[in-house]
Amino acid sequence: KNEVEQSPQNLTAQEGEFITINCSYSVGISALHWLQQHPGGGIVSLFMLSSGKKKHGRLIATINIQEKHSSLHITASHPRDSAVYICAVSPTGNLIFGKGTKLSVKP
Amino acid sequence: NAGVTQTPKFQVLKTGQSMTLQCAQDMNHEYMSWYRQDPGMGLRLIHYSVGAGITDQGEVPNGYNVSRSTTEDFPLRLLSAAPSQTSVYFCASRPGTGSVNEQFFGPGTRLTVL
Repeated sequence: KNEVEQSPQNLTAQEGEFITINCSYSVGISALHWLQQHPGGGIVSLFMLSSGKKKHGRLIATINIQEKHSSLHITASHPRDSAVYICAVSPTGNLIFGKGTKLSVKP
Repeated sequence: NAGVTQTPKFQVLKTGQSMTLQCAQDMNHEYMSWYRQDPGMGLRLIHYSVGAGITDQGEVPNGYNVSRSTTEDFPLRLLSAAPSQTSVYFCASRPGTGSVNEQFFGPGTRLTVL
């Protein structure tokens, strides 16, 4: 069983829709990371959180430590949000990654 | 700051050849790591370093060597390339050795082994 599970694997949305990507993990962690990878591109860090909620622009990340679950929300989605979103957790110093959620936002 | 840089961006090797993937960071980060990314799988840790002179194995270290002679550089060596090493390789760094720090990734190296 994977230690980090993301759902859905693939997601297609219309521009303007509210999007939610989920991440569940099975290990104790000190932090959870959300990353973004555009097609053929590098990987950038969106959020790092260990409790509660964080917001950057149209992106919101929440975490429930007791339930071992995190969500990434995108409000008013735009085609430029099309990318793979990766959840990663850190039980120690190294990260364990989910397989990613491929998001496609249609105009 | 250039951040995390990797060279080359693309490489094609024949089975049995050796090569070094270069990684450098100019942020004075203690922690550096190498990952490989394969279709349908999450990023997997190959090797990591918590400071100059200190390296350790990750999840998939076989066939790879690393060294960390300076804080800035963390090269990954393929000793005898195999088709199973065809992948996209990412180098990353972060300040400190604890996990509660943002991780910065290089642009990746796409390697094909024929």
